Amino acid sequence: SAVISQKPSRDICQRGTSLTIQCQVDSQVTMMFWYRQQPGQSLTLIATANQGSEATYESGFVIDKFPISRPNLTFSTLTVSNMSPEDSSIYLCSVGTGGQPQHFGDGTRLSIL
Amino acid sequence: GENVEQHPSTLSVQEGDSAVIKCTYSDSASNYFPWYKQELGKRPQLIIDIRSNVGEKKDQRIAVTLNKTAKHFSLHITETQPEDSAVYFCAASKGTYNNNDMRFGAGTRLTVKP
Repeated sequence: SAVISQKPSRDICQRGTSLTIQCQVDSQVTMMFWYRQQPGQSLTLIATANQGSEATYESGFVIDKFPISRPNLTFSTLTVSNMSPEDSSIYLCSVGTGGQPQHFGDGTRLSIL
Repeated sequence: GENVEQHPSTLSVQEGDSAVIKCTYSDSASNYFPWYKQELGKRPQLIIDIRSNVGEKKDQRIAVTLNKTAKHFSLHITETQPEDSAVYFCAASKGTYNNNDMRFGAGTRLTVKP
């Protein structure tokens, strides 16, 4: 399976600031996804990162809050904008086509003060 | 959209006993059902998956069963060991190539007591 690297692994941020999380895959992949995992909770899909076009967001998530870039088939970024304590979560990148096994990065543990 | 329910939320067993985690799904078009194990502070890792054309799949101490009629699937772990302690997530997907419709259950925290 693909090797997925996420940076940073963790960060502590001040409210009102923004943080960009990077996801790098060691091979070209068709589909890349961003998930949020709040403390003790399940995995919630934020958006599908589409190469060369705007990301597809799930209900409850908007581009202004979570802008996503996907410049090529091996890299994507997720920005968490204007952060508040409610944004404290683990953010996970995953790769995989529909109906195929998805593999996850190690995640970014984000705390907002 | 798809709704996946998972039970129990917590499960404690004695080492060597079996553990069973059950999930139900709502969309009869779902045809792919993976299970993930997430140890504390680590990424979710795929441990086994099953497709709708198969009723059961085994991999050493782990097995998954699928009942399409009842729309439920289960994870069975036999001869549990302390290292099986983790949170387990089930998921369901219709397998559409360019779309991610995979939805996850709420998770089961399994504790195996030595």
